[in-house]
Amino acid sequence: ETGVTQTPRHLVMGMTNKKSLKCEQHLGHNAMYWYKQSAKKPLELMFVYNFKEQTENNSVPSRFSPECPNSSHLFLHLHTLQPEDSALYLCASSQFGTGRGLFFGSGTQLSVL
Amino acid sequence: GENVEQHPSTLSVQEGDSAVIKCTYSDSASNYFPWYKQELGKGPQLIIDIRSNVGEKKDQRIAVTLNKTAKHFSLHITETQPEDSAVYFCAARRDAGNMLTFGGGTRLMVKP
Repeated sequence: ETGVTQTPRHLVMGMTNKKSLKCEQHLGHNAMYWYKQSAKKPLELMFVYNFKEQTENNSVPSRFSPECPNSSHLFLHLHTLQPEDSALYLCASSQFGTGRGLFFGSGTQLSVL
Repeated sequence: GENVEQHPSTLSVQEGDSAVIKCTYSDSASNYFPWYKQELGKGPQLIIDIRSNVGEKKDQRIAVTLNKTAKHFSLHITETQPEDSAVYFCAARRDAGNMLTFGGGTRLMVKP
């Protein structure tokens, strides 16, 4: 198993629901990321946090709200989603500044009905 | 910004044959090129990476080559096995402070 844990693994929600995705990294990294993976755009960067500060927001709709309380935990709060938001949501971490690649979790498969 | 193109999008080979996946990048300042393997139900996993001061890197049955002049790099898998079946992503980055730009992915199928 990787050092990045995501819960839940699967989530089905209606368009009026509010849910949260959770990510925890056990690698001692200082940067965490949210990616969206769908058939149309395989790996789409959503948010980046370095040392708990948000440094990237790739024009993501406000119905997605990230939260990074510390360098080991990352959340993605979801509300009033659309069916087109159905996708695999991947969390990743890295040690910013060392030059190595990203370490991904297994993802949350989200279905919006 | 950086743009990474990956080909082919699907690749089917017979067990034991070699597989080659190619990527081109647009930013001549990119200097770090990782490859990821994504199996069904899992997130992408880093399998090999190369930096621009090296032309080739090998790890058992996988190797990556880099041609900086032509701005392309390739993943080579020899003696393919059914467990090599997965989606492979290439990526490129300028320096440690920048984000990775991913290619569109290649679905590799190894037929027994």
